[in-house]
Amino acid sequence: AQSVTQLGSHVSVSEGALVLLRCNYSSSVPPYLFWYVQYPNQGLQLLLKYTSAATLVKGINGFEAEFKKSETSFHLTKPSAHMSDAAEYFCAVFNNAGNMLTFGGGTRLMVKP
Amino acid sequence: SQTIHQWPATLVQPVGSPLSLECTVEGTSNPNLYWYRQAAGRGLQLLFYSVGIGQISSEVPQNLSASRPQDRQFILSSKKLLLSDSGFYLCAWSTSPTLDEQFFGPGTRLTVL
Repeated sequence: AQSVTQLGSHVSVSEGALVLLRCNYSSSVPPYLFWYVQYPNQGLQLLLKYTSAATLVKGINGFEAEFKKSETSFHLTKPSAHMSDAAEYFCAVFNNAGNMLTFGGGTRLMVKP
Repeated sequence: SQTIHQWPATLVQPVGSPLSLECTVEGTSNPNLYWYRQAAGRGLQLLFYSVGIGQISSEVPQNLSASRPQDRQFILSSKKLLLSDSGFYLCAWSTSPTLDEQFFGPGTRLTVL
């Protein structure tokens, strides 16, 4: 069965600083991986996805993630944080056992002025 | 283009009262449909998913139920709400069969008093 672990339930960065949100996955088959963002009281919005093409995936709002098989990681990064990036971020892996995604516990990103 | 609707947006209900949350999808046919719950400070919990009319799979046993009376309609119900049912309920859809992303609705904030 597939699973994901997000290290750090809360991450705080200063505006303009690098954003790094960590995600490690467990999968017995080549995984399909996703990052979603959730703003307060809203649904989830897809940031980017890895589906076995390029290992460096670029998403919306300047975010990108790199698939590293040797580290079983899919960390999300952004070179320079904006105040508008403050939100909760979820990593997810497609679950071959059914038509579903398995989500990590989420990381709340706070951006300080 | 596809859209997903949820209503109501917010709901305050007394303990022991019934519940009915509705989700509809437009612009696609035969979608997979999902109900998730986010409790305060917790990640996403998959409650139910459906791959077709009348086909419901339950992930977590509880006092909630789901139904899919039409292809693009997914209903979450309860006969008697508990305090622990409070949370943010998200509906999502994906193409079928899928190895790809899910698209989320705007959510329903449920408070049980």
